[in-house]
Amino acid sequence: SQQGEEDPQALSIQEGENATMNCSYKTSINNLQWYRQNSGRGLVHLILIRSNEREKHSGRLRVTLDTSKKSSSLLITASRAADTASYFCATDAGSSASKIIFGSGTRLSIRP
Amino acid sequence: EADIYQTPRYLVIGTGKKITLECSQTMGHDKMYWYQQDPGMELHLIHYSYGVNSTEKGDLSSESTVSRIRTEHFPLTLESARPSHTSQYLCASRSNRGENSPLHFGNGTRLTVT
Repeated sequence: SQQGEEDPQALSIQEGENATMNCSYKTSINNLQWYRQNSGRGLVHLILIRSNEREKHSGRLRVTLDTSKKSSSLLITASRAADTASYFCATDAGSSASKIIFGSGTRLSIRP
Repeated sequence: EADIYQTPRYLVIGTGKKITLECSQTMGHDKMYWYQQDPGMELHLIHYSYGVNSTEKGDLSSESTVSRIRTEHFPLTLESARPSHTSQYLCASRSNRGENSPLHFGNGTRLTVT
């Protein structure tokens, strides 16, 4: 992977359960972002956490960031069938290059 | 809903053809990006632009080229398509206001080269 690894690569859970996905990265960052991709579509931005933040919430989403371990996690609570998608973390080094680099993604399947 | 458009949505062409994938955004974003996504999901940055007349190669070597003559338009061209170019191509843009702005993606062009 360009920037790091996402874990697990695939996750299948029962509707109503919580889903946790992890992301590790390699370089210093300005912020870390999570995106969702439905099959065959573009990515949609979910949540952004800055490097000086440790935790952030948005609806059923909770993101944590540990810059000392260069890792982040995305928790989706009370999962729904509509949450079935691929989830990607992406890092922004905030340099003049202004590149956003993606991880390898987690495929999440919610069983009804 | 982000206003970024990619055409065509699907394209099947023969080897050796020249093709241009179109990407347009109406948000006035200076920064635009092209990603290539393999069937295995990982996205690879192949080109990006800071603004008009500014283009840079990304981290993945690509035989494609880009141009940025207008702010809203960032087309990607393959001079001679090969089967190895078969992939999904995603265009994105982001606001130039501040450092913490997310990417807005188009729905992608799925290219198949036979």
